[in-house]
Amino acid sequence: GQQVMQIPQYQHVQEGEDFTTYCNSSTTLSNIQWYKQRPGGHPVFLIQLVKSGEVKKQKRLTFQFGEAKKNSSLHITATQTTDVGTYFCAELRFSSGSARQLTFGSGTQLTVLP
Amino acid sequence: NAGVTQTPKFRVLKTGQSMTLLCAQDMNHEYMYWYRQDPGMGLRLIHYSVGEGTTAKGEVPDGYNVSRLKKQNFLLGLESAAPSQTSVYFCASQLGSGKTYNEQFFGPGTRLTVL
Repeated sequence: GQQVMQIPQYQHVQEGEDFTTYCNSSTTLSNIQWYKQRPGGHPVFLIQLVKSGEVKKQKRLTFQFGEAKKNSSLHITATQTTDVGTYFCAELRFSSGSARQLTFGSGTQLTVLP
Repeated sequence: NAGVTQTPKFRVLKTGQSMTLLCAQDMNHEYMYWYRQDPGMGLRLIHYSVGEGTTAKGEVPDGYNVSRLKKQNFLLGLESAAPSQTSVYFCASQLGSGKTYNEQFFGPGTRLTVL
């Protein structure tokens, strides 16, 4: 089935440095969601992007959806130790009965060194 | 308002044993999901439900069964556990269909080990 590829798998940054994770698909994505999972925790919804070229910001986080809707990125400016965790992108697709299914990327594990 | 809760939090089974994982949500959500998370593989959908009394297969349904007898509860059963089912299991719920209702809320997870 369709896969959502996410890179890098791991990223270590010094506190204050920027961080970016990328999500790519070989086919057009209907939309993209981003989740954050703290170590030992559960995924928490961050944002959803729907429109081609869409850019949304949440404080130091910037989310982009590619013009062709085949890729997305999450950029964190000036990382803090509270940013530690695994960031997942996920495509939301229709399934039977109008339910939505999420297909997750494999995630990028971010470590922030103080 | 507890959100999504899961029981138990941890469990160790022997191969061939059975067990049921319980998920409960108090947000009156229509849709509920069961995922498993393995290292380096993200979350994979096992089964899901679009409403009381309905269930459907996800990406990796083999070896699992589910039931949704009440809107607020979604049960995941393992009839004969295998070591390959060692994983962290997450339940999630979603309000319903529509562009503004697509956020999924996850429970805290159940860590299952099958020996």
